[in-house]
Amino acid sequence: DTAVSQTPKYLVTQMGNDKSIKCEQNLGHDTMYWYKQDSKKFLKIMFSYNNKELIINETVPNRFSPKSPDKAHLNLHINSLELGDSAVYFCASTRRGSYNSPLHFGNGTRLTVT
Amino acid sequence: AQKITQTQPGMFVQEKEAVTLDCTYDTSDPSYGLFWYKQPSSGEMIFLIYQGSYDQQNATEGRYSLNFQKARKSANLVISASQLGDSAMYFCAMREGAGNQFYFGTGTSLTVIP
Repeated sequence: DTAVSQTPKYLVTQMGNDKSIKCEQNLGHDTMYWYKQDSKKFLKIMFSYNNKELIINETVPNRFSPKSPDKAHLNLHINSLELGDSAVYFCASTRRGSYNSPLHFGNGTRLTVT
Repeated sequence: AQKITQTQPGMFVQEKEAVTLDCTYDTSDPSYGLFWYKQPSSGEMIFLIYQGSYDQQNATEGRYSLNFQKARKSANLVISASQLGDSAMYFCAMREGAGNQFYFGTGTSLTVIP
């Protein structure tokens, strides 16, 4: 199946821990994103990469570090997790520079920090 | 100014009736795309429909149609013959020109009543 897949689907961890979320897409897209969705369902862009190059870097604590080994993969590493990091994190992809190309989302990773 | 505005936090519709979810946008770029996404309670983000700024006709996808009024800068989603499975959050989004940023609205929660 062609899709955006992210793992894990659920992540429960304690404050202070470090965790990673992985994302892969096989849609042939060259641009990938991380979004954070808070409890009020608001979607906030965090990062975007185009072909391994960081192109969008919103105001996000530097505890969050994205990494794109190639244009089909974008991972998110979070250091020293805090309670406020609890949210759903979505990976997404699209074609660069085409306003008619939609975002395709992964199924989300629900992160709970206790 | 907000790029995408959804003024209806919650909507109710009777099963089999039609419902319109409002979306207004703000851009000075002549080239842009408008998108609607559905997020059911299971959490995934599903792409529903796209409308391009140069499209002369309103987009349709099955029971979904987009009422595009360019002069009013509105892109309302119309769902015909509502079904219980249509109960979800609906997000309007915009992408401008050759940019890679997607602007999302705050969403509308739709509940279909049997």
